[in-house]
Amino acid sequence: GAVVSQHPSWVICKSGTSVKIECRSLDFQATTMFWYRQFPKQSLMLMATSNEGSKATYEQGVEKDKFLINHASLTLSTLTVTSAHPEDSSFYICSAIPSGRNLAYEQYFGPGTRLTVT
Amino acid sequence: QQPVQSPQAVILREGEDAVINCSSSKALYSVHWYRQKHGEAPVFLMILLKGGEQKGHEKISASFNEKKQQSSLYLTASQLSYSGTYFCGTVEWQGGKLIFGQGTELSVKP
Repeated sequence: GAVVSQHPSWVICKSGTSVKIECRSLDFQATTMFWYRQFPKQSLMLMATSNEGSKATYEQGVEKDKFLINHASLTLSTLTVTSAHPEDSSFYICSAIPSGRNLAYEQYFGPGTRLTVT
Repeated sequence: QQPVQSPQAVILREGEDAVINCSSSKALYSVHWYRQKHGEAPVFLMILLKGGEQKGHEKISASFNEKKQQSSLYLTASQLSYSGTYFCGTVEWQGGKLIFGQGTELSVKP
């Protein structure tokens, strides 16, 4: 149980276009989901906290108008990278906490989406 | 506040032991340990909640010193499959989010 999926697993897009990444909790409901970004040989950096039915909370330095997050249901959060540029190329990973739980419990990670902007 | 891990990298021979440390300047609610292989998502190892708590699974264990805001991951009799990058993640009191350390790259050689 406790599976999180991401789609697509990889995407190549041209500079200036927008890309949407989906994060789904397959067998549980998740009020809260998180989006991380990881550059090669670096740590996972938290971008934003996504709460179902409300606006996402972005970490300092993350442009909310560039990285649009929508958590429209208890099983789906989406991250849209708008006007993507080569420096946005990265590994994007989402995670989810089952509703009713907090961070005293494991949060479940998706398999990640590798974005390449040409 | 990003926790600090040490060492940054370690190379072991199969069967050797290793310790990875994680420290924070903030009071911690929980410490999470993950292992990540290249190009893959991180894999959960364990969570520690209470000061003095120790947990283990087979030959990987961890401890949490709440007063010192530190946690350590212990790998004993290392196997080739232990190779990867180990991350600690910390949750501060009233934090509500998991922040990862910079990672420790572990290589186990035959």
